[in-house]
Amino acid sequence: DTEVTQTPKHLVMGMTNKKSLKCEQHMGHRAMYWYKQKAKKPPELMFVYSYEKLSINESVPSRFSPECPNSSLLNLHLHALQPEDSALYLCASAHKTRPDNSPPHFGNGTRLTVT
Amino acid sequence: QKEVEQDPGPLSVPEGAIVSLNCTYSNSAFQYFMWYRQYSRKGPELLMYTYSSGNKEDGRFTAQVDKSSKYISLFIRDSQPSDSATYLCAMSPYNFNKFYFGSGTKLNVKP
Repeated sequence: DTEVTQTPKHLVMGMTNKKSLKCEQHMGHRAMYWYKQKAKKPPELMFVYSYEKLSINESVPSRFSPECPNSSLLNLHLHALQPEDSALYLCASAHKTRPDNSPPHFGNGTRLTVT
Repeated sequence: QKEVEQDPGPLSVPEGAIVSLNCTYSNSAFQYFMWYRQYSRKGPELLMYTYSSGNKEDGRFTAQVDKSSKYISLFIRDSQPSDSATYLCAMSPYNFNKFYFGSGTKLNVKP
């Protein structure tokens, strides 16, 4: 088990549904990330939050909407997805303060299937 | 040209072998170098990271960075079947806001 907890583990949704993915960490990390990973590919960065503010959006379609309500929680709101959005969605978190800068630690992801 | 190149394998070795995994990169601004291990249907797990050049050892794992050649390596000594996974290298220019993954090498350690 990792210290970054993602729920749900699996999600099946239709193209007209609205759903949310949740991520939680209690390590005091102030950077949180959303990644998308397709089968046999490396993770692709979607969003980065730094001190609860969105700092990077990698030109992600607006049907994906991130939210960081506090320093421990990160949500990804999903609406009107396409079947090609089916993937493993990974959350990660990292220290942001020197000298504790560290690489991100990942959760085990939510496996999303869009039907 | 990709920022980070990594041989996808698969790499198959007998138990107890020394494994060498490698990545090359083109961006001389990279300062942080990471290795992640990913088991099937799990998230990537951070194995090791180094800042700038040099070696770092942790148990059976040794990470090496050669910035002059833009080449990094991960060595696994006395490999075990439980090491069978996909190994991803990743690199960042600064403060981990954005980093770049290799495509991953699938390793199979046969008992």
